[in-house]
Amino acid sequence: ETGVTQSPTHLIKTRGQQVTLRCSSQSGHNTVSWYQQALGQGPQFIFQYYREEENGRGNFPPRFSGLQFPNYSSELNVNALELDDSALYLCASSLALAAQGDEQFFGPGTRLTVL
Amino acid sequence: GESVGLHFPTLSVQEGDNSIINCAYSNSASDYFIWYKQESGKGPQFIIDIRSNMDKRQGQRVTVLLNKTVKHLSLQIAATQPGDSAVYFCAENYGDDKIIFGKGTRLHILP
Repeated sequence: ETGVTQSPTHLIKTRGQQVTLRCSSQSGHNTVSWYQQALGQGPQFIFQYYREEENGRGNFPPRFSGLQFPNYSSELNVNALELDDSALYLCASSLALAAQGDEQFFGPGTRLTVL
Repeated sequence: GESVGLHFPTLSVQEGDNSIINCAYSNSASDYFIWYKQESGKGPQFIIDIRSNMDKRQGQRVTVLLNKTVKHLSLQIAATQPGDSAVYFCAENYGDDKIIFGKGTRLHILP
């Protein structure tokens, strides 16, 4: 196992609701990245946090927001849920920046279904 | 766990044979590439990476080849085993902070 955990495993929401997904990184990892993986697609980068500050964002609207806490936990919040938000949400932690060569360790994901 | 691999193009390989998974990337500015393996019900797992100043890099039973001229990346798995069955993704970095995943390939091992 990677040492990265996510909760909940599965979640069902209705359109317009808000959701909070949680991730617990490996201890000592300063970077957490969040990805959205639709069925049959590769993970798409949502954003990245380094030492509790957003440090890079993909092509996602502002209703996707996040937080990173000093205890190596983090949250992904999605407001005003849309049907297309149904996907597997993955978090990944790394010691520093994955783009600079630090290995990312992924959690098992949270499967979000929006009805 | 959920089945990750149902919707990806499939490469079927006989157990014990070598597997070659290919990936075309589009951004000539990409300078760092990674291969990931994703098993059903799990998140992606790092396999091997390569920087753009290299053409080839070897790991344990895996080799990554990079051809910058045609923007092509390949992953070779030697002596394919049942445990290699998964969806494989190439990913690239454009020089900023984002890792961009490509389309996946499902590797199916024939007994």
